[in-house]
Amino acid sequence: GESVGLHLPTLSVQEGDNSIINCAYSNSASDYFIWYKQESGKGPQFIIDIRSNMDKRQGQRVTVLLNKTVKHLSLQIAATQPGDSAVYFCAENWTGNQFYFGTGTSLTVIP
Amino acid sequence: DADVTQTPRNRITKTGKRIMLECSQTKGHDRMYWYRQDPGLGLRLIYYSFDVKDINKGEISDGYSVSRQAQAKFSLSLESAIPNQTALYFCATSDAADQTRETQYFGPGTRLLVL
Repeated sequence: GESVGLHLPTLSVQEGDNSIINCAYSNSASDYFIWYKQESGKGPQFIIDIRSNMDKRQGQRVTVLLNKTVKHLSLQIAATQPGDSAVYFCAENWTGNQFYFGTGTSLTVIP
Repeated sequence: DADVTQTPRNRITKTGKRIMLECSQTKGHDRMYWYRQDPGLGLRLIYYSFDVKDINKGEISDGYSVSRQAQAKFSLSLESAIPNQTALYFCATSDAADQTRETQYFGPGTRLLVL
């Protein structure tokens, strides 16, 4: 089956720096993607989404970039804060019904 | 997300026991899902339901069953628990009427340990 993977399992950044979390997907038919944040002891929380007809989408302090040529998705967090420490994972959808989730990257913000 | 609640939050059981995990939502969403999360693996879909009369198997449905008692309630059962069903289980909902966003809203999770 298809898989969604992340390049780095852990990422440490200084408070105030920008963070970039990457995700590789293998199904070129995927047309919808979501980034989730999961804090310890909590369920995943929606951050931002993007459809395949877009290359970039911005939210509050977050930006998602989609490169369909190389099947790559990234999440950029500006001015990273201690509250951003969490596991981040991407999800892709191509069936219209089911999402496939990546394994996650653990982001640690160093004060 | 307080709109999606799961009970119990933690459960320890023995091999062979039948257990039920419950999920309730106040978001008014038609679609509900059950996932399990294991270390080193992404969330994997067990079952999903698009309305009260619609139940579908997900990627890893073997050993599980579900019941959609009402629009707001979706329960997951392990008929005879086995140790490799030890995992973190999440319920999620989504709004079929929202054509612009298909995001799913997750509950806080149930941590299950099968001895």
